[in-house]
Amino acid sequence: GQQVMQIPQYQHVQEGEDFTTYCNSSTTLSNIQWYKQRPGGHPVFLIQLVKSGEVKKQKRLTFQFGEAKKNSSLHITATQTTDVGTYFCAGPGGSYIPTFGRGTSLIVHP
Amino acid sequence: SAVISQKPSRDICQRGTSLTIQCQVDSQVTMMFWYRQQPGQSLTLIATANQGSEATYESGFVIDKFPISRPNLTFSTLTVSNMSPEDSSIYLCSVDLAGGNNEQFFGPGTRLTVL
Repeated sequence: GQQVMQIPQYQHVQEGEDFTTYCNSSTTLSNIQWYKQRPGGHPVFLIQLVKSGEVKKQKRLTFQFGEAKKNSSLHITATQTTDVGTYFCAGPGGSYIPTFGRGTSLIVHP
Repeated sequence: SAVISQKPSRDICQRGTSLTIQCQVDSQVTMMFWYRQQPGQSLTLIATANQGSEATYESGFVIDKFPISRPNLTFSTLTVSNMSPEDSSIYLCSVDLAGGNNEQFFGPGTRLTVL
């Protein structure tokens, strides 16, 4: 399957600061998915992007899919302690099963 | 959406023993998967559980070590055989309702510690 590289691995922010995680692929992706995993929890689907240049918003979360469909980002505005967790991107893999990036762990300091 | 339960939620096992993890879905699904997530790591796909046939294993995972059953479209088991401390991990089942490369719903996971 296609490999997706995700950076940074960890990000510490003060509550109220913004946060961004990036996902990159060497090949064109037909779609990209984002998941959130709270500490001690399981991954929960956030969104899927399909179109080149697509931008979608969920409250304070903004998801972008690059024009070349090789990169994506998740931006959180004014982080809150409830945003704590690990954010994974997932690109399409072989046999129709997504391949997950290594994740970015967000730590929010109150 | 799908509601998925897993049993047990956690277990502590001795080296050399085996543990069977159950995954129950509240609706019939075609695609069901088993993942392993080691502490602080990403999700690694172990296998796709196929109803009525053998599971499809990913590179590095073999049936003798991780036998899988899928007797119907709502249930699957994963056995971790002849365990060693390196098998300590979280094991998660997931389903894709839409037939591939779509949103996955995950179970709550089974946290396994092997002593």
